[in-house]
Amino acid sequence: GENVEQHPSTLSVQEGDSAVIKCTYSDSASNYFPWYKQELGKRPQLIIDIRSNVGEKKDQRIAVTLNKTAKHFSLHITETQPEDSAVYFCAATSGGSYIPTFGRGTSLIVHP
Amino acid sequence: NAGVTQTPKFQVLKTGQSMTLQCAQDMNHEYMSWYRQDPGMGLRLIHYSVGAGITDQGEVPNGYNVSRSTTEDFPLRLLSAAPSQTSVYFCASSYSGGPGYEQYFGPGTRLTVT
Repeated sequence: GENVEQHPSTLSVQEGDSAVIKCTYSDSASNYFPWYKQELGKRPQLIIDIRSNVGEKKDQRIAVTLNKTAKHFSLHITETQPEDSAVYFCAATSGGSYIPTFGRGTSLIVHP
Repeated sequence: NAGVTQTPKFQVLKTGQSMTLQCAQDMNHEYMSWYRQDPGMGLRLIHYSVGAGITDQGEVPNGYNVSRSTTEDFPLRLLSAAPSQTSVYFCASSYSGGPGYEQYFGPGTRLTVT
């Protein structure tokens, strides 16, 4: 089955800095890569996703890049704000499974 | 739409007790899943269903049972609770049109087994 590795487990930045979270996956058949944000005590919610036929996608201050050859995808947050503090999960979904496999999560802390 | 709902929000069980965590969705999603979330372990798949009457095991199925008699409901049963099952449980649903669809999570159930 699919295996998703996520790094780092904790990321601490100053407000206004950029943050990058990296994930790798093992199944070359995976073709959908969502990112979820989970605020403290809340449910995970989708913030951005990318499909295998696209190399990069942006939505305001967040962007995701995908390198299919290396089986690697990353989340980039620019101009971080305290409200970006949360746990972020990457995931990979194979066409045969339809159920995502999640990484272990990154706790992002943005210091004012 | 209420989306995905879960009950109860909190539960304390004694070792050996059984209980059912309820999950319902009103989005007519075919796919439903149960995850447990433990510190540093991410979201681990317990069981999932691709439609009424069809269920399958995920990564950590031991000690849990599921059934799917309707599209809307997907209850998770703990057969004989153990302290290792202390966790936060999330139910999720998604559209069945393909793999590239958002998972909608419920609010979670925080379970403590003493």
